[in-house]
Amino acid sequence: QVQLVQSGSELKKPGASVKVSCKASGYTFTTYAMNWVRQAPGQGLEWMGWINTNTGKPTYAQGFTGRFVFSLDTSVSTAHLQISGLKAEDTAVYYCVRDRGQTLDYWGQGTLVTVSS
Amino acid sequence: QTVVTQEPSFSVSPGGTVTLTCGLSSGSVSTNYYPSWYQQTPGQAPRTLMYSTNTRSSGVPDRFSGSILGHKAALTITGAQADDESDYYCVLYMGSGTWLFGGGTKLTVL
Repeated sequence: QVQLVQSGSELKKPGASVKVSCKASGYTFTTYAMNWVRQAPGQGLEWMGWINTNTGKPTYAQGFTGRFVFSLDTSVSTAHLQISGLKAEDTAVYYCVRDRGQTLDYWGQGTLVTVSS
Repeated sequence: QTVVTQEPSFSVSPGGTVTLTCGLSSGSVSTNYYPSWYQQTPGQAPRTLMYSTNTRSSGVPDRFSGSILGHKAALTITGAQADDESDYYCVLYMGSGTWLFGGGTKLTVL
């Protein structure tokens, strides 16, 4: 069965960096795109962008350029989200979500990133 | 700036029927936007309910249905149950691999 398993919660200081991982299993990783979605505390879902798992080309939504980087390690079927120069407003749960073609179907369990001094 | 609109909150009685909608700040929602719906309870990841307008995800009971009503996508829950009390999000496909989420609807069953 398809599973997306994300790395555990992170507590970081402002200005630091964090890397969230999302390990896929149950399907051929390079067949479907991987998306990232943010959910700030008490807020709704916000689409951050996606990465083509075949070519490695990322596409970032408005507001997620510069400090946010999507990457892949296809050898272990894993997508990564790295955020640099962390700010308090980056505190959120980050989800990876598979896109099988106009359908966001499987979600990771989410990774809570807390930014606090 | 295009915005996806949802009712902030809705209330339904147990056993009742409720229709949540998903619109666009400019223009109409059609099947070309492949509207999808997600259910989220506190502390949990979203669960996929519906995709491509009206296709139920595996394991989703048939009292959930999706459609286009007028110029909006719609999620109808027939025979609402207590455990349907959740946040519901729609998302629209904007082309070229990009998506736009609505702000979500908090559904209360009482």
